[in-house]
Amino acid sequence: DIQMTQSPSTLSASVGDRVTITCRASQSISSWLAWYQQKPGKAPNLLIYKASSLESGVPSRFSGSGSGTEFTLTITSLQPDDFATYYCQQYSNYWTFGQGTKVEIK
Amino acid sequence: EVQLLESGGDLVQPGGSLRLSCAGTGFTFSNYAMSWVRQAPGKGLEWVSAISGSGGNTYYADSVKGRFTISRDNSKNTLYMQMNSLRAEDTAVYYCAKARYSYGYQFDYWGQGTLVTVSS
Repeated sequence: DIQMTQSPSTLSASVGDRVTITCRASQSISSWLAWYQQKPGKAPNLLIYKASSLESGVPSRFSGSGSGTEFTLTITSLQPDDFATYYCQQYSNYWTFGQGTKVEIK
Repeated sequence: EVQLLESGGDLVQPGGSLRLSCAGTGFTFSNYAMSWVRQAPGKGLEWVSAISGSGGNTYYADSVKGRFTISRDNSKNTLYMQMNSLRAEDTAVYYCAKARYSYGYQFDYWGQGTLVTVSS
């Protein structure tokens, strides 16, 4: 089974900050990686697929990068609507989510 | 507009059974693989099961294999999850998700979730 590990688990930031979340896979997954945003009481929302492709309708301040085993999600200029929990997901071999990164207000 | 609406969540005793449903509208249901993902209270997301568009191929997480059965009725645009031998650790919000193929399968639309509570 492929394990996904995100860091940090919690991130405190202010509006306007640049935020980076890291996701590591236990084995190479090429670019078979997605990022989701989830707000309390809501379903997850797809942000990024194929490691760096922006889902339609997602603001351009979100970007993804990486391949193989190490990936990052970057939010440039954090907005009030971006305080949420973010999950990476591999889909190279079935599907596995990271444990999540909560972005909270500093 | 794509919509997924889950139903069937309930309070059930350990060892009991439950069937979840997910009705899909706004897309050609039979053309898409579908999946169930769950989230225990205060925890992260866990993939549970998936099924191909035709229903001919099914996939399960080890944690539910042999206890849960995924199926679909494309004539009714509905996805199902039959859950047997339920355990306390199966307590979670269960989401159905539409799987889009674009360099692999991502989950591009999700339902609002249905809560399953396993407790005596």
